[in-house]
Amino acid sequence: KAGVTQTPRYLIKTRGQQVTLSCSPISGHRSVSWYQQTPGQGLQFLFEYFSETQRNKGNFPGRFSGRQFSNSRSEMNVSTLELGDSALYLCASSLLAGGSGETQYFGPGTRLLVL
Amino acid sequence: AQKITQTQPGMFVQEKEAVTLDCTYDTSDQSYGLFWYKQPSSGEMIFLIYQGSYDEQNATEGRYSLNFQKARKSANLVISASQLGDSAMYFCAMREGTSGYSTLTFGKGTMLLVSP
Repeated sequence: KAGVTQTPRYLIKTRGQQVTLSCSPISGHRSVSWYQQTPGQGLQFLFEYFSETQRNKGNFPGRFSGRQFSNSRSEMNVSTLELGDSALYLCASSLLAGGSGETQYFGPGTRLLVL
Repeated sequence: AQKITQTQPGMFVQEKEAVTLDCTYDTSDQSYGLFWYKQPSSGEMIFLIYQGSYDEQNATEGRYSLNFQKARKSANLVISASQLGDSAMYFCAMREGTSGYSTLTFGKGTMLLVSP
């Protein structure tokens, strides 16, 4: 079974631009979560989608948004990029959403550099 | 207060030796899950092992075992017979509750270096 895939793997943007990242979950998984990883803040939860609905959201500004499609694929968008948005963005999928026993499986990540 | 604490920023171990990576957690929930992930320099987070709060036995997965001490709120990862390929960052994480949509909270990680 194929794992979680993320595209693109690397991205360079300039301040003020916007960016869209894509994530395809493991086949059969209906929940997709997004995380931002930086050296200073570590791994921070962005949001989780299940059945095309956002189920949970982390403490990020409104410039960060996402959506999930009927095939469970998810996209994440960051508008008006800032230098501090440079990070590794990780997508994770699980069968269901939210339960304490739900294991999340991660993709390889998208490395975003904002200049 | 931090929910997941990993007190060892870095650990060194020789090949074929066992190593324990520490993790303590803080929750008032009775139901929670504890996870360990490995992150090599490539960036991908690799799931290693899971322990549920109601599990009476310590979880094991191949060379990985989780030393779960509920009263002390600790969930240490033990890697037996270390290999060079074990060199990576290791993250402890927790997911709380059985209802609603709880998120996965990570510790700051421990960098493990395995030497020949």
